[in-house]
This record gives sequence, C-alpha cells and structure tokens, in this order.
Amino acid sequence: QQPVQSPQAVILREGEDAVINCSSSKALYSVHWYRQKHGEAPVFLMILLKGGEQKGHDKISASFNEKKQQSSLYLTASQLSYSGTYFCGTEIPTSGTYKYIFGTGTRLKVLA
Amino acid sequence: DTEVTQTPKHLVMGMTNKKSLKCEQHMGHRAMYWYKQKAKKPPELMFVYSYEKLSINESVPSRFSPECPNSSLLNLHLHALQPEDSALYLCASSQGWGVRDYYGYTFGSGTRLTVV
Repeated sequence: QQPVQSPQAVILREGEDAVINCSSSKALYSVHWYRQKHGEAPVFLMILLKGGEQKGHDKISASFNEKKQQSSLYLTASQLSYSGTYFCGTEIPTSGTYKYIFGTGTRLKVLA
Repeated sequence: DTEVTQTPKHLVMGMTNKKSLKCEQHMGHRAMYWYKQKAKKPPELMFVYSYEKLSINESVPSRFSPECPNSSLLNLHLHALQPEDSALYLCASSQGWGVRDYYGYTFGSGTRLTVV
C-alpha cells in the first residue's frame, strides 16, 4: 500500500530540472509532498486532491493524474536549497478511518 | 506560533530505563501524531490522537505508551526499550485528521533516541 517513488536518488547541478514520481497500484485519496533536510523535520510543500489537478508555487509544482494513481513533483531551475529527501504521502482507509503513510522517498542533491 | 516543539532533541537510554518524549503545539490543531523514522527510510506512523483520544495504534509494542494530557501536548513514554528502537521520533500535528486536510502536517524536529 505504500506509494513507490522514483527515482530513489538524483544528483543535479544548480539550474537543472528534476521530476520525482509517486505511484500507487490503487487510486489515492490525496497526495501530499514533503521535503526533509538531513537532521530536520519534514516540511509540507503542497497537497493535491483531485484527479488532473496541477498546482505549484515558485519553481516547485506538482500534478496528480486523472486516475489518481500517480503524482509527479517538478523542480525547475534547481537551487542548492532544494537538496533533501522528498516524500509523497497519502491517506489509506483503515478500519473505518484513515491513516497517513509516506512514500519510499527520493534523495535529491543539488551541486554548485 | 506555527511550530511543533519536541524535547529532548537527543536522548540516550539504557534498556532498563524509563523516559518520556514531549511534544507541544499551540496552533489549535486537533490531531497529533507520533512517527518513527530510521535512517534513510520514510517516517512510519505509530499513533494518532484526534481530539485528545487515541484513534490509531499501529500495533506498536507496549514498551511505547502514548499520552495526550490536553489538546496542545503529546507525550511518548518509553520503558524497557531495545537497541533496535533507536531512531528519530517525530511528532506532528494537523488541523483535522483524515482526508481534506488542506494544510498538511506540521512536524517537530524530532528526538534522536539511542538505546544502549
């Protein structure tokens, strides 16, 4: 049930673009994206709720496909501050309620 | 105040010790969470409190005991831990719980626990 992210790791030069994918075998209720820097708390980036939705701010954007089984995070003109591990997350129905789980993670390193 | 504060930041404990982790938020969030994170792995959900009541226990061993004294505080009591319990323990909060939480979760910076 855990969403699978790809790639597992990526290294970029400043100014390059990256795409991180989050896939599930079943439709997702929603997708959250987080970035976690080493030794720090995960920081919420954005949430997507509807199939076909796209949103973003600054140079980071995300999409949610129509079937709600895949989301992609787009990092444009990457900066050193983009380095970290990116997680997607979603709510999984369980025992009449929901629990929130994270995807497998993607480690991103931006080099000067 | 838009932070979740966790104390202590680091903790080393023996397998026979009893210790507690603390988490505090003043954002008026009604759901609070404990996650465990091993190195290079995603956070794993342990417990969910909603409106100060335990809503989810992810089959966590009884040596971990959560407590929510009020809507702003969340504790995790530790007793007789094993070395494999060494990890980063993250607390988080959100406005509500379940779907349609538009603002995501706010995480604390965690307590790095080492069991010796």
